[in-house]
Amino acid sequence: AQSVTQLDSQVPVFEEAPVELRCNYSSSVSVYLFWYVQYPNQGLQLLLKYLSGSTLVKGINGFEAEFNKSQTSFHLRKPSVHISDTAEYFCAVSFNTNAGKSTFGDGTTLTVKP
Amino acid sequence: EAGVVQSPRYKIIEKKQPVAFWCNPISGHNTLYWYLQNLGQGPELLIRYENEEAVDDSQLPKDRFSAERLKGVDSTLKIQPAELGDSAVYLCASSLGAGGPEEQQFFGPGTRLTVL
Repeated sequence: AQSVTQLDSQVPVFEEAPVELRCNYSSSVSVYLFWYVQYPNQGLQLLLKYLSGSTLVKGINGFEAEFNKSQTSFHLRKPSVHISDTAEYFCAVSFNTNAGKSTFGDGTTLTVKP
Repeated sequence: EAGVVQSPRYKIIEKKQPVAFWCNPISGHNTLYWYLQNLGQGPELLIRYENEEAVDDSQLPKDRFSAERLKGVDSTLKIQPAELGDSAVYLCASSLGAGGPEEQQFFGPGTRLTVL
């Protein structure tokens, strides 16, 4: 079965520290990968996506992610976080045999402390 | 450009009562999605429309849930009767094309439903 696993439910970090939010998926077919951010009482906002090409993807707000096919991972990184990055982050995967249906992980709560 | 609009933002009802949620997608977006988001979990697709046609409703509990997108623009999701376990956030999203797996989805703020 196809699935998405976000390995950390909560990640606390201090301001200006680097952060990595981990995402693994299981699939036997080609995938498209997305990271979304959800601020309190708001909808999901796309941070970045991998469709094809370069495995290093840069997104908004200084975030980037690397697609690793051999490890079936798509970890999200930021070299220096801000208080305003405190939010819920969701990894999502679409499988090319499942048109329009994204499978979301359960989310990682990033808390940036001063 | 206005984003995806949902109303109401919050709804509190007693169990067995009906409830309806409304969504207006981004202008020109052909595909509309309804998701259920339980506390501490990611969104789960309930139904996907391409224009006015429901092309994927396999996860919609049809005994109590219904949805419509009559003119291929805005959409309504209804629950009748509501149960305690329906308490969740209901998210609407839209995308420009035909809902391919590579398409970016734009999400509304959601409706938080509490069933007492």
